[in-house]
Amino acid sequence: KAGVTQTPRYLIKTRGQQVTLSCSPISGHRSVSWYQQTPGQGLQFLFEYFSETQRNKGNFPGRFSGRQFSNSRSEMNVSTLELGDSALYLCASSFEGLREQYFGPGTRLTVT
Amino acid sequence: AQSVTQPDIHITVSEGASLELRCNYSYGATPYLFWYVQSPGQGLQLLLKYFSGDTLVQGIKGFEAEFKRSQSSFNLRKPSVHWSDAAEYFCAVGLSSNTGKLIFGQGTTLQVKP
Repeated sequence: KAGVTQTPRYLIKTRGQQVTLSCSPISGHRSVSWYQQTPGQGLQFLFEYFSETQRNKGNFPGRFSGRQFSNSRSEMNVSTLELGDSALYLCASSFEGLREQYFGPGTRLTVT
Repeated sequence: AQSVTQPDIHITVSEGASLELRCNYSYGATPYLFWYVQSPGQGLQLLLKYFSGDTLVQGIKGFEAEFKRSQSSFNLRKPSVHWSDAAEYFCAVGLSSNTGKLIFGQGTTLQVKP
């Protein structure tokens, strides 16, 4: 079974731009969660989607948004990028909720 | 608020020595507990999890962890460390089995001396 894939793997953007990251879950998985990892704040939960509905949301500004498609693929969007948005963005998928949650390799976003 | 504490930011052990990584959590009810490992430039790999039942859980790569409710701890152990175990280890808490939300500790970086 193929694992969780994230595209692109690396991205460089300029302050003020917007960016869209993609996550393809393991086949059959319906839950996709997104996390931001930075050296200062560690791993922080962004949001979770289940069956195309946002089920949970972390404490991030409205510039961070996401969605999930009918095939369970998910995208997250960050608008008006700030330097502090530079981070590794990880997504994780599971069939449902916490059970057997698998992480992708992440997208490394650098904002200059 | 719920939180996870990994008191040791960095640990160095000799290859072949035993290992214990500490994790304490703050949560009113019994949480769902996880240990993940992350190698440089990689995503997170699940080592083991505790949902209920036997408080000593076995994971992959020879790791085990013990849930101690009285101490709010879930420490990770390995009897003999291999050089390939060098990585960053994260303890995480899930508050409900119905959501994918995890609260992570700050991580412990393990260095293995030859």
